[in-house]
Amino acid sequence: AQSVTQPDIHITVSEGASLELRCNYSYGATPYLFWYVQSPGQGLQLLLKYFSGDTLVQGIKGFEAEFKRSQSSFNLRKPSVHWSDAAEYFCAVAGFSGGYNKLIFGAGTRLAVHP
Amino acid sequence: EAGVVQSPRYKIIEKKQPVAFWCNPISGHNTLYWYRQNLGQGPELLIRYENEEAVDDSQLPKDRFSAERLKGVDSTLKIQPAELGDSAVYLCASSDGQGSADTQYFGPGTRLTVL
Repeated sequence: AQSVTQPDIHITVSEGASLELRCNYSYGATPYLFWYVQSPGQGLQLLLKYFSGDTLVQGIKGFEAEFKRSQSSFNLRKPSVHWSDAAEYFCAVAGFSGGYNKLIFGAGTRLAVHP
Repeated sequence: EAGVVQSPRYKIIEKKQPVAFWCNPISGHNTLYWYRQNLGQGPELLIRYENEEAVDDSQLPKDRFSAERLKGVDSTLKIQPAELGDSAVYLCASSDGQGSADTQYFGPGTRLTVL
């Protein structure tokens, strides 16, 4: 079955430092991959998505992600974190589960930013 | 353009009571999703509508959960009777396509607490 693993439950970085959030997926075919961000009290907002082509994907708010098929990974990166980036980040794969195509989410990584 | 609207934002009920959540998707979006997000987890799909038809309700606990989207626009999710384990955030999302790879736009959610 398709699945998404986010190994880090909680990450803390200093403002201005670089960030990498890890995501590993399990999917037999070429996956459609997504990163969403959820700020407190808000719905999920799409940061970026990968369907095909260039394996380095640019998103909103200065985020980027790199698809590595050999490692089954789709890690999210940002060169310099801002305090407003503190939120929960979810990786997701569009996969086939229970007989239907659906979006399958990881458990999320909570990001804290120190001033 | 207005985003996905959900109400209420918060609901506290005692177990065995009924509860209902309402969602109004982005105008023109034919596909509507209801998700449940347990504490510390990613969202999990409960039901997906294409217009007024429920095309994937495989994860909806049908003994106590029901949903409707009568005119293919807004939708209601009901729980009757509620159990302690139903405490979660219920998210509604919509998209203008029918595939799981289409971008889903999420509402802020309804946080349900069952006492």
